[in-house]
Amino acid sequence: DTEVTQTPKHLVMGMTNKKSLKCEQHMGHRAMYWYKQKAKKPPELMFVYSYEKLSINESVPSRFSPECPNSSLLNLHLHALQPEDSALYLCASSLGQGWGTDTQYFGPGTRLTVL
Amino acid sequence: GQQLNQSPQSMFIQEGEDVSMNCTSSSIFNTWLWYKQDPGEGPVLLIALYKAGELTSNGRLTAQFGITRKDSFLNISASIPSDVGIYFCAGYNNAGNMLTFGGGTRLMVKP
Repeated sequence: DTEVTQTPKHLVMGMTNKKSLKCEQHMGHRAMYWYKQKAKKPPELMFVYSYEKLSINESVPSRFSPECPNSSLLNLHLHALQPEDSALYLCASSLGQGWGTDTQYFGPGTRLTVL
Repeated sequence: GQQLNQSPQSMFIQEGEDVSMNCTSSSIFNTWLWYKQDPGEGPVLLIALYKAGELTSNGRLTAQFGITRKDSFLNISASIPSDVGIYFCAGYNNAGNMLTFGGGTRLMVKP
């Protein structure tokens, strides 16, 4: 089973709202990732968690706040977003056993629209 | 940041035709991954390559890890309408800690 699940599938929020995106995997993977993807562009890395610790933050604005409650779950908390933050948000996971060989498996994404 | 050059950017082909796309880099890569993405969905892993010269097939798909470690190609034989989508190459270079993506190849298949 190579399934990564994400909820919700779609989210519409105002600029003053607080919402959360959720990601879950049960493959025993110890690395989890958040990506942002704009239309017709490749995914852009936002955050990496390795063994439940934040290991990479690609200079993401503080209005995006990641959280890894346990090895199977990854959340992305959203607050005071801007319309330009509208995008497809992708979660991915990998074994986390070695740099340079970790095959990443992606979830179906959350389509976020900020009004 | 590190870029992967993926070509062609788009292809419009007749059903039944074979397709070839490739990715090149100016630096050495240790792993090449090929993904397919349908509209509004996440990328789905097609083929993973870990050794220079490796040739791997997955059904009608074949991908190779270039001998120089600076390129990879993906071939699709006898295309069908469900092959439509965006194909991304991705890989890890010697720094190894971030997956770098190509710009994508948009494939359109005419029945």
